[in-house]
Amino acid sequence: EAQVTQNPRYLITVTGKKLTVTCSQNMNHEYMSWYRQDPGLGLRQIYYSMNVEVTDKGDVPEGYKVSRKEKRNFPLILESPSPNQTSLYFCASSLILSSVGANEQFFGPGTRLTVL
Amino acid sequence: QQQVKQSPQSLIVQKGGISIINCAYENTAFDYFPWYQQFPGKGPALLIAIRPDVSEKKEGRFTISFNKSAKQFSLHIMDSQPGDSATYFCAASLTGKLIFGQGTTLQVKP
Repeated sequence: EAQVTQNPRYLITVTGKKLTVTCSQNMNHEYMSWYRQDPGLGLRQIYYSMNVEVTDKGDVPEGYKVSRKEKRNFPLILESPSPNQTSLYFCASSLILSSVGANEQFFGPGTRLTVL
Repeated sequence: QQQVKQSPQSLIVQKGGISIINCAYENTAFDYFPWYQQFPGKGPALLIAIRPDVSEKKEGRFTISFNKSAKQFSLHIMDSQPGDSATYFCAASLTGKLIFGQGTTLQVKP
């Protein structure tokens, strides 16, 4: 089954304790992206990657890191989480986006993170 | 210039009614306008999309109306059903990057 998987689905942690949220897709997509969803703010892009070893900042990258060592995986790293990073996080993937228009993005099931 | 403004924030419709969600944008360089549907506990999924050279696109009960001069587009759900209860996001694409609206929570009452 074609899908984007994220782990963990739920995480409660404390301020300053490093954590990693994993994301994996089995559709051979070049493009991968991380979003956070907050009430009233919609989905905001954190980081994205056009291909292996190619990553770039989205709209809200502060406090986050990513890496793209393999095509299928795109982990999100919070080196020193803070309470304002409490949010619902989504990973998404698609075929490479062209300048003409975007291809469909496939989203993972989400990771609900609480930072105390 | 990069923002997409979506309204209303929430919407309650009776079964069989028409649900209408509106979005507005500023940047005329946007080249693709998708709508995503999200059920509780799930990730968003593409519902329907339109390009700016088309004024309307219909897929079943879902229709996008696009007004290029007004820089607005809207989602119409005809004969709304309780199973349509979800959060809906409009989005606009600029060189492939998706910029999402704030989301609309739709509740369809039986």
